[in-house]
Amino acid sequence: QKEVEQNSGPLSVPEGAIASLNCTYSDRVSQSFFWYRQYSGKSPELIMSIYSNGDKEDGRFTAQLNKASQYVSLLIRDSQPSDSATYLCAVNAWTAGNKLTFGGGTRVLVKP
Amino acid sequence: GAVVSQHPSWVICKSGTSVKIECRSLDFQATTMFWYRQFPKQSLMLMATSNEGSKATYEQGVEKDKFLINHASLTLSTLTVTSAHPEDSSFYICSATGMGGSSTDTQYFGPGTRLTVL
Repeated sequence: QKEVEQNSGPLSVPEGAIASLNCTYSDRVSQSFFWYRQYSGKSPELIMSIYSNGDKEDGRFTAQLNKASQYVSLLIRDSQPSDSATYLCAVNAWTAGNKLTFGGGTRVLVKP
Repeated sequence: GAVVSQHPSWVICKSGTSVKIECRSLDFQATTMFWYRQFPKQSLMLMATSNEGSKATYEQGVEKDKFLINHASLTLSTLTVTSAHPEDSSFYICSATGMGGSSTDTQYFGPGTRLTVL
């Protein structure tokens, strides 16, 4: 059983719409949660981190964390074609020496 | 802030040769560096974790004698692929976590090194 699960997609959204990505994790001691964006052929880049239950907003991105339900989500508002990429959810259990457990990623396609 | 560089960005080598990849944290001190490998259309695979001044900790199935990791300073880690073979061709990516504030557990990734072994 995968420890961090994401829908592989592709998630197709029209330009200007909201893209909603979900991620569930199995380890209840997980403390830190991250969303990375990875363009094809490039390395991951950090979008945002979230540590506490609730919402965290950064520009067009909002991360939502619910530790009781063990899920973390990412909303992309006003989606742009440049947002087309694979979005990786990553979880850090701290007890694992800061190692991240990655989900398989969700591919997002924003159509003009 | 939190910039990680890698060199070279791509390398082509002959089978049997060794290749060294450098990973540098440019604007912070990296207490821990991680090395990943990614094959086309696959997820990141953690190869090893290195702490400055200590031996690297390798993930299960990763040959420590083939993938030599040195983390000699707080800003530099190197990965040497020894006696490379075509099956070692992959995208190698490093990441680093720093000291202080939120960067202590946030991994910042380098741009990656694409290795092709002929």
